[in-house]
Amino acid sequence: AQSVTQLGSHVSVSEGALVLLRCNYSSSVPPYLFWYVQYPNQGLQLLLKYTSAATLVKGINGFEAEFKKSETSFHLTKPSAHMSDAAEYFCAVMFSGGYNKLIFGAGTRLAVHP
Amino acid sequence: KAGVTQTPRYLIKTRGQQVTLSCSPISGHRSVSWYQQTPGQGLQFLFEYFSETQRNKGNFPGRFSGRQFSNSRSEMNVSTLELGDSALYLCASSLQGDTGELFFGEGSRLTVL
Repeated sequence: AQSVTQLGSHVSVSEGALVLLRCNYSSSVPPYLFWYVQYPNQGLQLLLKYTSAATLVKGINGFEAEFKKSETSFHLTKPSAHMSDAAEYFCAVMFSGGYNKLIFGAGTRLAVHP
Repeated sequence: KAGVTQTPRYLIKTRGQQVTLSCSPISGHRSVSWYQQTPGQGLQFLFEYFSETQRNKGNFPGRFSGRQFSNSRSEMNVSTLELGDSALYLCASSLQGDTGELFFGEGSRLTVL
């Protein structure tokens, strides 16, 4: 069965530090890959999406993610954290023909401290 | 452009009751998906509708149902509520039906007592 694993349910960084949120998926066929962000008391917002056009994907708010097929990974990074980045981040996969059925990881809560 | 609107935002029900949640997608979006979010199970796909047709369904019991109207608005219904149905129910719309690029509403938070 397809699944998504996010390593670390909580990550804490200092403002200005590198953000690295890890995501691994299990599938023999590379799926579509996504990162979504959820701010408190809000719905989810799409950060970025991988569709096989390029292994390095740039998203909104300075985030980017790199697809590594050999490692079945799609880690999310941002060079310099900002206080406003504090939120919960979800990695998700979807397979062709899935009709918007996303399989989400458990989420990583990012805290940014001064 | 208005976002995805979900009503009601909060509701409290008792076991055995039924509930209907409503979702108005972004104008022009024809695909509507529903997700359940709980602390224990995380985000789980319920179903997806496109042009009034359910095209995909998650692994939920038959007590969970939905429909989509000709104006793309969607409703989901949960009958015979159980304590475990307490959750945030998120609706998401998309312009096309199979991109995974979803625009989520703020959700309807259901508490079952």
